[in-house]
Amino acid sequence: ELKVEQNPLFLSMQEGKNYTIYCNYSTTSDRLYWYRQDPGKSLESLFVLLSNGAVKQEGRLMASLDTKARLSTLHITAAVHDLSATYFCAVDREGGGADGLTFGKGTHLIIQP
Amino acid sequence: DAGVIQSPRHEVTEMGQEVTLRCKPISGHNSLFWYRQTMMRGLELLIYFNNNVPIDDSGMPEDRFSAKMPNASFSTLKIQPSEPRDSAVYFCASSLRGVRKTQYFGPGTRLLVL
Repeated sequence: ELKVEQNPLFLSMQEGKNYTIYCNYSTTSDRLYWYRQDPGKSLESLFVLLSNGAVKQEGRLMASLDTKARLSTLHITAAVHDLSATYFCAVDREGGGADGLTFGKGTHLIIQP
Repeated sequence: DAGVIQSPRHEVTEMGQEVTLRCKPISGHNSLFWYRQTMMRGLELLIYFNNNVPIDDSGMPEDRFSAKMPNASFSTLKIQPSEPRDSAVYFCASSLRGVRKTQYFGPGTRLLVL
């Protein structure tokens, strides 16, 4: 059974600080997705990481993928309040071609002034 | 682009009633997915279609759940009879099969079964 584990599940941090969210998965898939969800809202795609060593950056968020370690990270630089949300990582269920995603439990991020 | 459209956005029903959730994928997308989100179980894949054909329904919890995709622009998820434990947010997502395969999510249907 494919497992996707995120940590931490809850994170409260101050504006201006840096932090990293970790996502471990149990399959050999080399395709990993990061989504953001605001309270009561839908999921918004942030990054798609397609290969080992892939790094994507958007504003204060940077995601990376190490397929050998089966690990992805989402790094937050100089956090601002607007980044408060729940962040999910997700992996193709079977890896290498099947299309359904298995999600981690999400990291609930609160950024305080 | 209007994005993925779901209806209704909210549904309150009584146990035993039939519930039908509807989804219109993004035009041109050829894969459609139904997910369920609860506090206890998180986000779960229920079923997905490629080119209107159901590929994997192993996530459908019981025979009470059924899904159809009669054409490329419409899908339904039906629960009959509904039970209180079916209360959740149901998301529909669509994607274009290819290297990236990013799934775009609809706004969700918030279902409450009393």
